Amino acid sequence: GIQVEQSPPDLILQEGANSTLRCNFSDSVNNLQWFHQNPWGQLINLFYIPSGTKQNGRLSATTVATERYSLLYISSSQTTDSGVYFCAGMSGGYNKLIFGAGTRLAVHP
Amino acid sequence: DTEVTQTPKHLVMGMTNKKSLKCEQHMGHRAMYWYKQKAKKPPELMFVYSYEKLSINESVPSRFSPECPNSSLLNLHLHALQPEDSALYLCASSPGARTLQETQYFGPGTRLLVL
Repeated sequence: GIQVEQSPPDLILQEGANSTLRCNFSDSVNNLQWFHQNPWGQLINLFYIPSGTKQNGRLSATTVATERYSLLYISSSQTTDSGVYFCAGMSGGYNKLIFGAGTRLAVHP
Repeated sequence: DTEVTQTPKHLVMGMTNKKSLKCEQHMGHRAMYWYKQKAKKPPELMFVYSYEKLSINESVPSRFSPECPNSSLLNLHLHALQPEDSALYLCASSPGARTLQETQYFGPGTRLLVL
């Protein structure tokens, strides 16, 4: 199966700062999602983005499928952005979403 | 409505108990999933149901028994669990028409503690 690597593993920001999270894949993917897991464990969909660029408020994501990576941009971070950000991908004909290890983000006031 | 609900939120059980986790969605999705997440780790797939039939079992021990009574409901029956089975159990669903190219929507999870 595919390998999913996320960086950085941990990130500490001051409120208002911008950040970029990265996700690398070992093989091409036909399903790529970004999630935010809040401190209570809820996994929240951020983007379904197997290719291209999408924006939703202060968040945006870009996937370069040919180079097997995806980026998540967080602008003007807020304390409510704290939590763990996962990217996950699916490859080939097997219906299994493989998650990266996550980026643990802490935003301080 | 993009909501997946799970009950109970928390569960404590002994190693000889039998309990069940419940997951429900009313989005008309035809694919449903169980994931297990240990502390500080990513979710790991356990089972996939597609059109109410089990399509993937990721070599999960038989003490975990999934059931999909109808297209809206997914259960996970637990029996003779071990302390290492303590984890957050997450349910998800997706439309099911083209499962490789769909967004999965997750429920809030059940935190299970096995004593």
